[in-house]
Amino acid sequence: QLQLQESGPGLVKSSETLSLTCTVSGGSISSSSHYWAWIRQPPGKGLEWIGMIYYSGTVFDNPSLKSRLTISVDTSKNQFSLKLSSVTAADTAVYYCARLGGLLAASIKRAFDNWGQGTLVTVSS
Amino acid sequence: QSALTQPASVSGSPGQSITISCTGTSSDVGGSNYVSWYQQHPGKGPRLMIYEVTNRPSGVSTRFSGSKSANTASLTISGLQAEDEADYFCSSYSTSSTPYVFGTGTKVTVL
Repeated sequence: QLQLQESGPGLVKSSETLSLTCTVSGGSISSSSHYWAWIRQPPGKGLEWIGMIYYSGTVFDNPSLKSRLTISVDTSKNQFSLKLSSVTAADTAVYYCARLGGLLAASIKRAFDNWGQGTLVTVSS
Repeated sequence: QSALTQPASVSGSPGQSITISCTGTSSDVGGSNYVSWYQQHPGKGPRLMIYEVTNRPSGVSTRFSGSKSANTASLTISGLQAEDEADYFCSSYSTSSTPYVFGTGTKVTVL
């Protein structure tokens, strides 16, 4: 069974860089049928798509975060990562990693079919 | 890009049916067959309940069903059970600035 697990500091100082890693187990991140996404949820608010990466390294990102965002993949470790620079209090959120079915997926296309449990990142002043 | 609009809360008694709406635009819900629904219990990650508007993943109860009309998608939960009490989010593939947009979320309460 596929599992995703986020890891990284739970507290980041304002203006510094938020760094998270998602470790995928029970399946390969090198799947040609899937993308690997980051999604966040500020306290009491809805979900926001941050960006996603294909195993080849192709990245799709949210234009509102593009200038501060780096998403990378390490296929040898079955991990993908998120870096968000110059953080402010507005970046305080629960950050989730998730798998997205691509158009080549056998069944579930363009939906997030597996999620991590999420990790709360608080930006402090 | 604006979030999809959902009612903040919906409630029902055990055994009843409830419907949650998700309203977008022709750039997302109205123009896409890729609308999905997620259930989220407190402190847990979201769980996919419906994909491609009407399809249920393996393991999801048949009490959950999805539909769409014009720019509004809907999730119906029939035979409401205590375990259905959770937050529900919709999502849609979009041709606007970001490829995926989420709904504002609906809290379902079982009375």
